[in-house]
Amino acid sequence: EVQLVQSGAEVKKPGDSLKISCKGSGYNFTTYWIGWVRQMPGKGLEWMGIIYPGDSDTRYSPSFQGQVTISADKSITTAYLQWNSLKASDTAIYYCARLPEVWGQGTTVTVSS
Amino acid sequence: QAVVTQEPSLTVSPGGTVTLTCGSSTGAVTSGHYPYWFQQKPGQAPRTLIYATSNKLSWTPARFSGSLLGGKAALTLSGAQPEDEADYYCFLSYSGNWVFGGGTKLTVL
Repeated sequence: EVQLVQSGAEVKKPGDSLKISCKGSGYNFTTYWIGWVRQMPGKGLEWMGIIYPGDSDTRYSPSFQGQVTISADKSITTAYLQWNSLKASDTAIYYCARLPEVWGQGTTVTVSS
Repeated sequence: QAVVTQEPSLTVSPGGTVTLTCGSSTGAVTSGHYPYWFQQKPGQAPRTLIYATSNKLSWTPARFSGSLLGGKAALTLSGAQPEDEADYYCFLSYSGNWVFGGGTKLTVL
């Protein structure tokens, strides 16, 4: 079964760093792009960026360029989304997706002092 | 960055037909935008219904169909069921940079 399993919920303080993960299984991880999507509380979906784990080619949405870092470790079939300094406005659910078929279950990130 | 527009809300009667549309600030939506449609129910992750304009996944109910209509991407629901009440998002590619629409809240009433 093809699936993406994301890491658990996080509660952080403003200024903290964070790295959340998305582990792929059931398929050749290196040959499919994986994207990240943000959903702020009560709001719509926002495309953050995408990575090709085979060569780590990464493309960011202009809105998220410089705000987050997307990476992947193909040896453990895992993609990552990382922040160096969280803000309260980063509070959201973050989804990874291997389009068109597969979505992760989402990771809730709460940033609060 | 391009803006993708959807109807904020629509209502359909059970058994009825409704069409959701997806427009682009840059002009007509074409197959080159590879339109996607996602369904999201409260508390759940999104689920892909349609990709590349009209292609369905194995789980996509037959009552959903995707097309291009009047310069927009369209998702048509024929024979609405109560379980189709959800948020629907379209998603377009602009030469590899992807943009979501704001979503349509579909009520089946």
